[in-house]
Amino acid sequence: GIQVEQSPPDLILQEGANSTLRCNFSDSVNNLQWFHQNPWGQLINLFYIPSGTKQNGRLSATTVATERYSLLYISSSQTTDSGVYFCAVTGSNYQLIWGAGTKLIIKP
Amino acid sequence: NAGVMQNPRHLVRRRGQEARLRCSPMKGHSHVYWYRQLPEEGLKFMVYLQKENIIDESGMPKERFSAEFPKEGPSILRIQQVVRGDSAAYFCASSPVGQGTDTQYFGPGTRLTVL
Repeated sequence: GIQVEQSPPDLILQEGANSTLRCNFSDSVNNLQWFHQNPWGQLINLFYIPSGTKQNGRLSATTVATERYSLLYISSSQTTDSGVYFCAVTGSNYQLIWGAGTKLIIKP
Repeated sequence: NAGVMQNPRHLVRRRGQEARLRCSPMKGHSHVYWYRQLPEEGLKFMVYLQKENIIDESGMPKERFSAEFPKEGPSILRIQQVVRGDSAAYFCASSPVGQGTDTQYFGPGTRLTVL
């Protein structure tokens, strides 16, 4: 099955810094979603982005399907950005295959 | 436009008891997926259901676990005779069409603790 690897596993930044999170996947995908799991455990949909680039406020994402990776950019980080960021993909079926996540800590 | 609803949000059970987790999909969605998240890990697929049908339960343990999505009412994930290893967060997602290109929308999860 498809393998999903995220990097870095942990990231600690000062408030105001920018960050780039990476998601590599081992095969072609039909769907790629980025999620933020906040410190209370809730999953928040950030992007549905099987290809191309999208932006939403301080967050943007780019997926290069031919090279099998996606990047999530967070600019001007705020403490509320802390949590775990997950990348999840589907291949030939509907099962979302999840990476292990990037744990982001933003210090005030 | 309510999102995916799950209840209870927290559930504590003693070993050997039954746990029932409920999920109401988003309005207009007839496809429901259950995932389990162990501490410090990503989510793992368990089961995919449509109304009155189990489409794929390949990720569900063969014993003690069952799921249903009746014609009326929420989807239910049932765990019988719970053990400590069942302690986890259980997330439900829904989508409008059950295809790989669908966006899946997730509920807040049920955190099960087995004492």
